[in-house]
This record gives sequence, structure tokens and C-alpha cells, in this order.
Amino acid sequence: NAGVTQTPKFRVLKTGQSMTLLCAQDMNHEYMYWYRQDPGMGLRLIHYSVGEGTTAKGEVPDGYNVSRLKKQNFLLGLESAAPSQTSVYFCASSYRVGPQAFGPGTRLTVT
Amino acid sequence: EDKVVQSPLSLVVHEGDTVTLNCSYEVTNFRSLLWYKQEKKAPTFLFMLTSSGIEKKSGRLSSILDKKELFSILNITATQTGDSAIYLCAVDGGSQGNLIFGKGTKLSVKP
Repeated sequence: NAGVTQTPKFRVLKTGQSMTLLCAQDMNHEYMYWYRQDPGMGLRLIHYSVGEGTTAKGEVPDGYNVSRLKKQNFLLGLESAAPSQTSVYFCASSYRVGPQAFGPGTRLTVT
Repeated sequence: EDKVVQSPLSLVVHEGDTVTLNCSYEVTNFRSLLWYKQEKKAPTFLFMLTSSGIEKKSGRLSSILDKKELFSILNITATQTGDSAIYLCAVDGGSQGNLIFGKGTKLSVKP
């Protein structure tokens, strides 16, 4: 099993550009999550999904959109990137009860 | 507002030392508390605690939960340089599996 995978691993964007981060899991998990991690801030939840076709806002959703068209995939979109969105983004997935498994992360820099 | 507080934020020890990391929480609908280890990339799962007073153990690492006093500790005995990492504490507050993370404790183990 590959577990949770994320693409791309690194990306540099200019302010105002858009991009999509892809998360895929092969563990048949119902729940999927997108976090951002900034120095000294810990992990903060952006959006999450409790099943195919459902999404919900987390702690810091502004400037991001998500979609869960297939159970195994969870997409995170930035429509107009801002320097404040420079961060490391982690995807995670889980069953309803149990620990979340994390992907390797995407390092995004917005200049 | 639900919150998770970890202490200390950073710690430097020498190989062979024993360390105790702390995690306190204020969460409305507690379901479980989780510990993760984060080296250079994704957080990896260590323990999930749901019941007070029952120690979870894995090799030199152990953890226990006190639901009355609302805290958990993570102990590492006979530390090694490979234990150097950020240790994250998270609480499942019952809201559709969302985890509330603390800011982490950065542990550095010197040879």
C-alpha cells in the first residue's frame, strides 16, 4: 500500500496564480483532511471531508477550496495565491475512529 | 474554544537522558488524545489514548492520560539521537474526527 500520497512535493507560485494540490489514499478511509503547518503554529485544519461528495470548513478555510469527487482523492485549490499561503500542506485520512495517517507534505512558496 | 497546549516548546537533552513531554487540553467533547512524531516530513502516529490511567508503551516510549486533570504525558527513556523530532499532541474533540493540535515540542538529543 502506498498509504497517503501528495502531489506535487514542492511548488513556487507568484501572487495571484492558481494551483491544485492532489491527495490520494489507498486505505479506503472515509475521512480526509487538509492541514497547513507554519513555524510555531502547529497543524491547522483547512478543510475536511467525511465522505465522497462532502466537504466542510476547518479552522483556516479562507482562500482555499476543496473537492472530493472520488473517495480516494481530495483536492485542495488555491484560486489566487497570496504570500500568506506560503506553508507546508499536509493531507491526512482516517476511518471515523482511529488515528489519521499523513501524507509526505507539499512545500508551497508564494512570491 | 477548544485548545491543546504542549510544554515545553523545545528541549535539549543528551543521549541516555529520560524526558517527559506534557500535553494539556480543554475540549468540550473529548473522544481521544493522540501523540505523533514528526521528523523531516509527515507526522507518524505513536499512541492513541482514550482511557485514564492505562499506560501505552512501545519500546522506550510510553504515554498515559489523566482525564480528570485533562492532561497526558509522553515519556522517552534512554534517549537516542534518532529521537530528535517534533512531538505533536492532538485531541479528537468529537467533531467529525477533526483533531485539534498543540504547537508541538521540539526535542533535540545531543550525542
